[in-house]
Amino acid sequence: KNEVEQSPQNLTAQEGEFITINCSYSVGISALHWLQQHPGGGIVSLFMLSSGKKKHGRLIATINIQEKHSSLHITASHPRDSAVYICAVFLNTGNQFYFGTGTSLTVIP
Amino acid sequence: GAVVSQHPSRVICKSGTSVKIECRSLDFQATTMFWYRQFPKQSLMLMATSNEGSKATYEQGVEKDKFLINHASLTLSTLTVTSAHPEDSSFYICSASRDFYNEQFFGPGTRLTVL
Repeated sequence: KNEVEQSPQNLTAQEGEFITINCSYSVGISALHWLQQHPGGGIVSLFMLSSGKKKHGRLIATINIQEKHSSLHITASHPRDSAVYICAVFLNTGNQFYFGTGTSLTVIP
Repeated sequence: GAVVSQHPSRVICKSGTSVKIECRSLDFQATTMFWYRQFPKQSLMLMATSNEGSKATYEQGVEKDKFLINHASLTLSTLTVTSAHPEDSSFYICSASRDFYNEQFFGPGTRLTVL
C-alpha cells in the first residue's frame, strides 16, 4: 500500500480547461509539497503547505489535514503546463517523506 | 528564487569507472541536501539525505559504499557512483534545503549512462 496516492495518473485536457489533481495520504504529516517535473527532467517546487490554501498565478493548492487530502488546481490551462505533477508528504514523526507516483498532464492546444 | 545547479548534466562512462556528480546551492546556504534517482516513467526515489558536516543517511537498499556522498560545505554536496555498472544508468537529481523541513529546491539532474 502506498502512503501517498495521486489521481488521476494521466490527464489530458484542452487548453483553457480547469484542472484538478488530487493527492491523498495515510500518514500524519507536517507539510505537503507539490512539485512539477518537465519533460526534460527538471523539477520545480510549486508549493509547500501545511494548512489552508496557497495561490501562485494560475496555480492553487489546498490541503485538508483532517481528511488527509490535498488538491492542485490549474486555471486556464496552457500547453506549457504539460508536465508530471508530484506530491510529497513530510511525516510528523521524524525525518522522512514519501512521494506520490505523479500525475502526467498533457494540455492540448 | 533559490537556484541549485548540478554538474555534469550528462555523463557516459565505461563499466567499472567512478563518476562524481556535484550539486551546488548558488544563492542560499543548504544545511540539508537530498539525492534522488529516477528510472524512466517512475517517480523519484530518495537515495540519501546529507547534512553539512556529517555523514549521509542512506535509504534502505541503497549501498553506501557504492554511492558515496560528501556534503563538505553549506553550498556543495557530491555523489560519487563508484565502479559504475550498466544497472546504475539512471537520472540522478539533487535538491537542497535550508533545513530538512524547509522547501526543497531541485537541481536540473544528471543523466548517467554506463556502457
